[in-house]
Amino acid sequence: AQSVTQLDSQVPVFEEAPVELRCNYSSSVSVYLFWYVQYPNQGLQLLLKYLSGSTLVKGINGFEAEFNKSQTSFHLRKPSVHISDTAEYFCAVSPMDSNYQLIWGAGTKLIIKP
Amino acid sequence: ETGVTQSPTHLIKTRGQQVTLRCSSQSGHNTVSWYQQALGQGPQFIFQYYREEENGRGNFPPRFSGLQFPNYSSELNVNALELDDSALYLCASRQTGNNEQFFGPGTRLTVL
Repeated sequence: AQSVTQLDSQVPVFEEAPVELRCNYSSSVSVYLFWYVQYPNQGLQLLLKYLSGSTLVKGINGFEAEFNKSQTSFHLRKPSVHISDTAEYFCAVSPMDSNYQLIWGAGTKLIIKP
Repeated sequence: ETGVTQSPTHLIKTRGQQVTLRCSSQSGHNTVSWYQQALGQGPQFIFQYYREEENGRGNFPPRFSGLQFPNYSSELNVNALELDDSALYLCASRQTGNNEQFFGPGTRLTVL
């Protein structure tokens, strides 16, 4: 079985400051890893994904994430946040034998302080 | 290119009733998945359809059922509604073999 833990339910950060949103997972099989963003009253949008290769992946809107297999983590980072980054961020994994079914974390609300 | 659309946007039902939610997949996508997102939680996988057949299911009881049509649109049916079924129901589509899923805006179901 697989599970995803997002360690912070809310992360407040000042505008233009860096941010890291943490994600750890547990799985008995190899997985693909994803970060999605959900803006208020909107659907989910893919930020970035790790399938294979380089462990540092870059996504849209200046976000990047690093896959750490030994720590089973996939933390999301941005060097300088903007007010428009206010949203909820979800980490998800897809077991490689599951036909791309997604297992999700509970989400982290990113709160940007002016 | 039209994205994933869902209808209705909001729905209120009473306990014991039945509900049907609809999803139109993005152009060119032949696989549709449904997720339930309770308030304050991440989405939970309900099931996935490909070529009009269910080819994956999460931990949901049989009163959650679905259909996929030849044009790849899909329905989610829930019978004997319970209060805990109140949630945002999300539909996602993708092209088989492609791992990126595209999500609709969701249907907010309230069960009273």
